Amino acid sequence: AQKVTQAQTEISVVEKEDVTLDCVYETRDTTYYLFWYKQPPSGELVFLIRRNSFDEQNEISGRYSWNFQKSTSSFNFTITASQVVDSAVYFCALNRIPGAGSYQLTFGKGTKLSVIP
Amino acid sequence: SAVISQKPSRDICQRGTSLTIQCQVDSQVTMMFWYRQQPGQSLTLIATANQGSEATYESGFVIDKFPISRPNLTFSTLTVSNMSPEDSSIYLCSVTILAGGAEQYFGPGTRLTVT
Repeated sequence: AQKVTQAQTEISVVEKEDVTLDCVYETRDTTYYLFWYKQPPSGELVFLIRRNSFDEQNEISGRYSWNFQKSTSSFNFTITASQVVDSAVYFCALNRIPGAGSYQLTFGKGTKLSVIP
Repeated sequence: SAVISQKPSRDICQRGTSLTIQCQVDSQVTMMFWYRQQPGQSLTLIATANQGSEATYESGFVIDKFPISRPNLTFSTLTVSNMSPEDSSIYLCSVTILAGGAEQYFGPGTRLTVT
């Protein structure tokens, strides 16, 4: 069975602070995908990033960076110099490689980030 | 990626009635899914919408309660039948384009309130 744990339910930071959102996952698959999605108050789910299990390179995209460590089954997300527009619920998710069976995305419970001006 | 639209965006319905939600994609996609997000909760997969055949339902979800259609590669409907207040949720359609990877792209969601 697959499982994604986001231990932080809610985080509040002051604008311009850095913040890291934690994600720990469990899977018996040797190959898989990991994702982060953002859900702003409007409700739509915005895809942020996909990582393959065989690619442990960290990734940076503007103020966003992701740290994937297979040894600890973690896929953490850092926002640098946070802005009010970053306020949202962030979901970490896990999926099998296409063709490996179910395409079900297993989501964590989400972390609600509030950036205070 | 894909542009996904859902109708209606929100609705308030009475107990015992049914609501059909539409999902339209701007390009042909391989897989279409329906998720439910109960208030303050994470997303749960209801079913995979299969073109031209019956949907594949996840544990805890049944066709009588959530009938799904997918007549072609760009359109699907989800009906929430005989609604009760417990069905109040956001219902999201998602798609995956296998050639581009496993990421699923989500529609804007339908916010349903049952009174």
